[in-house]
Amino acid sequence: EAGVAQSPRYKIIEKRQSVAFWCNPISGHATLYWYQQILGQGPKLLIQFQNNGVVDDSQLPKDRFSAERLKGVDSTLKIQPAKLEDSAVYLCASSLDPGVKDGYTFGSGTRLTVV
Amino acid sequence: GDSVTQMEGPVTLSEEAFLTINCTYTATGYPSLFWYVQYPGEGLQLLLKATKADDKGSNKGFEATYRKETTSFHLEKGSVQVSDSAVYFCALPAGGTSYGKLTFGQGTILTVHP
Repeated sequence: EAGVAQSPRYKIIEKRQSVAFWCNPISGHATLYWYQQILGQGPKLLIQFQNNGVVDDSQLPKDRFSAERLKGVDSTLKIQPAKLEDSAVYLCASSLDPGVKDGYTFGSGTRLTVV
Repeated sequence: GDSVTQMEGPVTLSEEAFLTINCTYTATGYPSLFWYVQYPGEGLQLLLKATKADDKGSNKGFEATYRKETTSFHLEKGSVQVSDSAVYFCALPAGGTSYGKLTFGQGTILTVHP
């Protein structure tokens, strides 16, 4: 089966600019996650979708970050305006069900550098 | 809340050496436990998992045993290869109302020299 697809792989922007990341989960996976991985740290959950509804966005900085999952398939994560501390790898993951008993599948990530 | 603590890194080994990366956890109940691996420039891949106490997860020569007595899930491999150089993350479900969320350790960088 095809994996979780993400684009772009790399992005460099200046602070205060906006940026968007795209994710296409594994076909049939109802649950989609966006994680932020700062260099030298483990990934931290930003937002979790179940189909096209938000399950958990408690760690999403909503003043600058937004995410949507139209039609319960692809998802877009946006940052506007970006700050230097947003430099990180943004990982998308998906799973068949909302439980995490068997883990889930990550994409290759988008590496964002804010200068 | 539920949490994971990994041994400090980085770890540098010669090829064919024995590997242990320590992981201890704090959790309510007995959640599944995971080891993920991240190769340079790539996303995280599930390496192995254990879904209940005393289970042993294994994959690609790596093993980890879910030990509730010591609340540990240490990763081991008998003979590492250069291709095992990567960052290894221990993880568990966040628990409580954070259904589906994984909590990760800070990661351990492994470098294997020929």
